[in-house]
Amino acid sequence: AQKVTQAQTEISVVEKEDVTLDCVYETRDTTYYLFWYKQPPSGELVFLIRRNSFDEQNEISGRYSWNFQKSTSSFNFTITASQVVDSAVYFCALAGYSTLTFGKGTMLLVSP
Amino acid sequence: GAVVSQHPSWVICKSGTSVKIECRSLDFQATTMFWYRQFPKQSLMLMATSNEGSKATYEQGVEKDKFLINHASLTLSTLTVTSAHPEDSSFYICSARDPTGVVEKLFFGSGTQLSVL
Repeated sequence: AQKVTQAQTEISVVEKEDVTLDCVYETRDTTYYLFWYKQPPSGELVFLIRRNSFDEQNEISGRYSWNFQKSTSSFNFTITASQVVDSAVYFCALAGYSTLTFGKGTMLLVSP
Repeated sequence: GAVVSQHPSWVICKSGTSVKIECRSLDFQATTMFWYRQFPKQSLMLMATSNEGSKATYEQGVEKDKFLINHASLTLSTLTVTSAHPEDSSFYICSARDPTGVVEKLFFGSGTQLSVL
């Protein structure tokens, strides 16, 4: 069975602080995909990144960066210089062929 | 722009009535669609996997007769909450996978907030 754990239920930071959202996963599959989605208050899911299990290169996209470490089954997400607009719930997800397993989400509150 | 359209965005209904939610893929033909449910401050829980032309596969604990799923065409899947009750109030989201079968091409609808009075 697949499992995704986001231990941080809520994080509060002040604008311009850096923040890291943790994601730990469990799977027996040798090939899998990991995702991060952003869910703003309006409710829709916004795709942020996909990483496959064979690609452990870290990725940076603007203020966002992701650290994938297969040895610790973690796929952490860092926002640098956070902004108020980053306030949302962030979900980490693990995918097999036909379905996604979501973590419980981390609510990020960025105050001015 | 959106590639998956979900309607309605919100619905309020009386207890005992049925509510239909539509999920349409706009730019591709989706052989597989997924339906999720999300309670406040909780994660998305997969309810069922809908395959075009065949019966949906429901996750454990999801009542098939309560949540009717129809995937009659490659661009449309519907979720009908039958005889809705207040405990069915939730946020429902659909997703559609494009026919290439690559997992990353999984697009989500904008969700439907159902409130049952």
